[in-house]
Amino acid sequence: DAMVIQNPRYQVTQFGKPVTLSCSQTLNHNVMYWYQQKSSQAPKLLFHYYDKDFNNEADTPDNFQSRRPNTSFCFLDIRSPGLGDAAMYLCATSRGRDYNEQFFGPGTRLTVL
Amino acid sequence: AQSVTQLDSQVPVFEEAPVELRCNYSSSVSVYLFWYVQYPNQGLQLLLKYLSGSTLVKGINGFEAEFNKSQTSFHLRKPSVHISDTAEYFCAVSDKDSNYQLIWGAGTKLIIKP
Repeated sequence: DAMVIQNPRYQVTQFGKPVTLSCSQTLNHNVMYWYQQKSSQAPKLLFHYYDKDFNNEADTPDNFQSRRPNTSFCFLDIRSPGLGDAAMYLCATSRGRDYNEQFFGPGTRLTVL
Repeated sequence: AQSVTQLDSQVPVFEEAPVELRCNYSSSVSVYLFWYVQYPNQGLQLLLKYLSGSTLVKGINGFEAEFNKSQTSFHLRKPSVHISDTAEYFCAVSDKDSNYQLIWGAGTKLIIKP
């Protein structure tokens, strides 16, 4: 089945220790998104790639970076995690920039100690 | 700018009873509307979508929603809920003004009472 895969499902890191979350997709979609979701809140878009074109949301902290080495993979790097970065991180894909039906991965739950 | 309002943060309902989760949006020019469900510690799954055509949209798991342009609403309904429907439900809207990015409601927790 075509899908969006996120690894790991649970990640524990220490305050200030860089961490990388990964996302892969077998849908061959052009657009990949990273969202941050805190408890009982809506997902908050951090950035997205349309093919190799990177689009950062204005309020995404510099601490968050992303890489998309190819169509299938996208990474979220948190350079110096703070306690406030503990959250669920969701990867999503969509075919294009039209009506934007998005397909989500299962998420990575990040804990910062 | 587009905004989405889900008026109820929680909706408790007895098993096998009907339920309606409300969603209103601010701008009615050429919108696309979505309902997603999120089970605990999981990603979001699309329940249904309205792109064009019939205003009554049927989705997975027995859910349906009605697009009402004059009231700028897209309420989600199910005639008989099950314990397995316990989850958080998010309404989302996209339009040209938002560059087709999804604008999310705050979510509604559906609590099924046995």
